[in-house]
Amino acid sequence: DARVTQTPRDKVTEMGQEVTMRCQPILGHNTVFWYRQTMMQGLELLAYFRNRAPLDDSGMPKDRFSAEMPDATLATLKIQPSEPRDSAVYFCASGLWGSDTQYFGPGTRLTVL
Amino acid sequence: GIQVEQSPPDLILQEGANSTLRCNFSDSVNNLQWFHQNPWGQLINLFYIPSGTKQNGRLSATTVATERYSLLYISSSQTTDSGVYFCAVERTRGGKLIFGQGTELSVKP
Repeated sequence: DARVTQTPRDKVTEMGQEVTMRCQPILGHNTVFWYRQTMMQGLELLAYFRNRAPLDDSGMPKDRFSAEMPDATLATLKIQPSEPRDSAVYFCASGLWGSDTQYFGPGTRLTVL
Repeated sequence: GIQVEQSPPDLILQEGANSTLRCNFSDSVNNLQWFHQNPWGQLINLFYIPSGTKQNGRLSATTVATERYSLLYISSSQTTDSGVYFCAVERTRGGKLIFGQGTELSVKP
């Protein structure tokens, strides 16, 4: 049963600390997405990659957020320094270019105190 | 940018009842998907349906692209159908989905 995995599932940190979230897309998927979900803003796309290349990161605060795909099996989202307003659930999703269906991971619940 | 509105925002049903959820969008789209987020937070893709009608068990969806709306039908609802249903759209087929605010469904036994 192929699925997207994310680590950690929960993260509590203090303001100013660096946070790294990891995602393993479904093997063979060539498109990876990062979303953020909050009560106020709902689900927002932060960035996405195709064949490991960043295609769009316009939804991401550039000064503190960065997203990378070091290899085809790992995507990372980093926040440095973290702020309380970054508290949210961060989802990773993967898919195949052309199929349009996105498969979501379980999410990382981030709390910044 | 494109606007996505879902209605109703909340819905409470007795088990066995049928329901219709609506998604209106403000511009033409090439990608429309319905998702279910269960009470544990997991998002599951239900349908990719930029136009036409699809059915999967008790769920079916219809998108009328020319009139810019999509409907999700749930028949004979079960408590496991509870959660939030999201509609998401995209103008081009690049993956940049815009999500609606969701319809929160609660099915009572």
